[in-house]
Amino acid sequence: NAGVTQTPKFRILKIGQSMTLQCAQDMNHNYMYWYRQDPGMGLKLIYYSVGAGITDKGEVPNGYNVSRSTTEDFPLRLELAAPSQTSVYFCASSYDLAGGHPEYEQYFGPGTRLTVT
Amino acid sequence: AQRVTQPEKLLSVFKGAPVELKCNYSYSGSPELFWYVQYSRQRLQLLLRHISRESIKGFTADLNKGETSFHLKKPFAQEEDSAMYYCALRDTSGGSYIPTFGRGTSLIVHP
Repeated sequence: NAGVTQTPKFRILKIGQSMTLQCAQDMNHNYMYWYRQDPGMGLKLIYYSVGAGITDKGEVPNGYNVSRSTTEDFPLRLELAAPSQTSVYFCASSYDLAGGHPEYEQYFGPGTRLTVT
Repeated sequence: AQRVTQPEKLLSVFKGAPVELKCNYSYSGSPELFWYVQYSRQRLQLLLRHISRESIKGFTADLNKGETSFHLKKPFAQEEDSAMYYCALRDTSGGSYIPTFGRGTSLIVHP
C-alpha cells in the first residue's frame, strides 16, 4: 500500500493563479480531509469528505474548493491564490463507521509546501 | 463546540529528564483523544490513543475527565523524541466524527 499520496511536494504560485493539490489513498477509506499547517497555529481543517460525492466545509474553507468523485481521490482546488494561502497542506484519510470505530486512526500524506508571492 | 488546548508552543528539556506535554479539552460528550507526532521532514502519525491505554516509545497518556486533560508523559526523554506533538479530540456524539487538533507543541530534547 502506498497509503496517502500527495502531489506536488512543493509549489510556488503568483498571486491570482490557480492550482489543484492532488491527494489519493489506496486503503479504501471512506473519510478524507484537507488541513493546512501554519507555524504556531497547528492544523486547521479546510474541507472533509465522508464518502464519494459528499463534501463539507471545515474551519477555514474560504478560497478553496474540493470534490470527491471517487473513494480514492480528494483534490483541493485553490482559485485566485493569495499570500495568506502560503502554508503546508496535508491530506489525510480514515476509515470510520456510523457510531464510531474503536481502531480509528487518521493516516496523513507527506504534505505540499505552497508559497504564494 | 469542542476545543483542544495545548498551552506550550515549545518545550525544551535535556536528555534523561521527564517530559510532560499538556493537553486540555472542552467537550460536552464522551471524548476520544489521541496524540499524533510529526518528526522532522516526516508526515504526522498516530502515537497513541486513550482508548487503547497503551505505552508507545515510552510515552503514556491518561485521560482525566475531572480535569478534562490528556497529558502526554515520558519519564526519561531521548534525543529522538524531538518532534512536533499534536493532541486531537474526536467528536463521537453521533455527528460527523471529525477530529479537532490542538496547535501543537514542539519538543526539543538536548543532548
